[in-house]
Amino acid sequence: EAQVTQNPRYLITVTGKKLTVTCSQNMNHEYMSWYRQDPGLGLRQIYYSMNVEVTDKGDVPEGYKVSRKEKRNFPLILESPSPNQTSLYFCASSALDTQYFGPGTRLTVL
Amino acid sequence: GENVEQHPSTLSVQEGDSAVIKCTYSDSASNYFPWYKQELGKGPQLIIDIRSNVGEKKDQRIAVTLNKTAKHFSLHITETQPEDSAVYFCAASIGSSNTGKLIFGQGTTLQVKP
Repeated sequence: EAQVTQNPRYLITVTGKKLTVTCSQNMNHEYMSWYRQDPGLGLRQIYYSMNVEVTDKGDVPEGYKVSRKEKRNFPLILESPSPNQTSLYFCASSALDTQYFGPGTRLTVL
Repeated sequence: GENVEQHPSTLSVQEGDSAVIKCTYSDSASNYFPWYKQELGKGPQLIIDIRSNVGEKKDQRIAVTLNKTAKHFSLHITETQPEDSAVYFCAASIGSSNTGKLIFGQGTTLQVKP
């Protein structure tokens, strides 16, 4: 089954404790993105990747890192999480324009 | 920067009525406009999309219209059903569609009352 998977689905952590949210797709897509969803703000792009080792900042990249060492994986790294990064995060992949979203990771930073 | 404005933020209709959600975009180079539906606890799913070379597209009860001159596009749902209740997002490509980048509207929470 074609899908985008994210782990973990829920995470509660404390300020400053490094964390990684994994994202994997099995559709051999070139493009992958990370979004955060906040009430009233819709989906805002954090980072995206056009292919292996090619990444670029989205609209809200501050406080986040990404890497794309393999085509199928695109982890999101928060080196020193802060409470304003409490949000719902989505990973997405696409061959060109139609994006397929993962189920989401709800992150709470205390 | 580029942006997409979506209205209304909430919409409540009676079952069987029509629902219309409108979006405007700022990037004149945008040429791909998808609509996503997000059900509770799930990720957004594409329900319909339109490219700049057409003005309207229909898929059963769902239709999308595009006015490139005015830079706005709309989602029309006819004969609404309770299972249409969800959050809907419009989006526009940043530049042409082969950049793989989209900018999303703020979302519309649609409630269909039985």
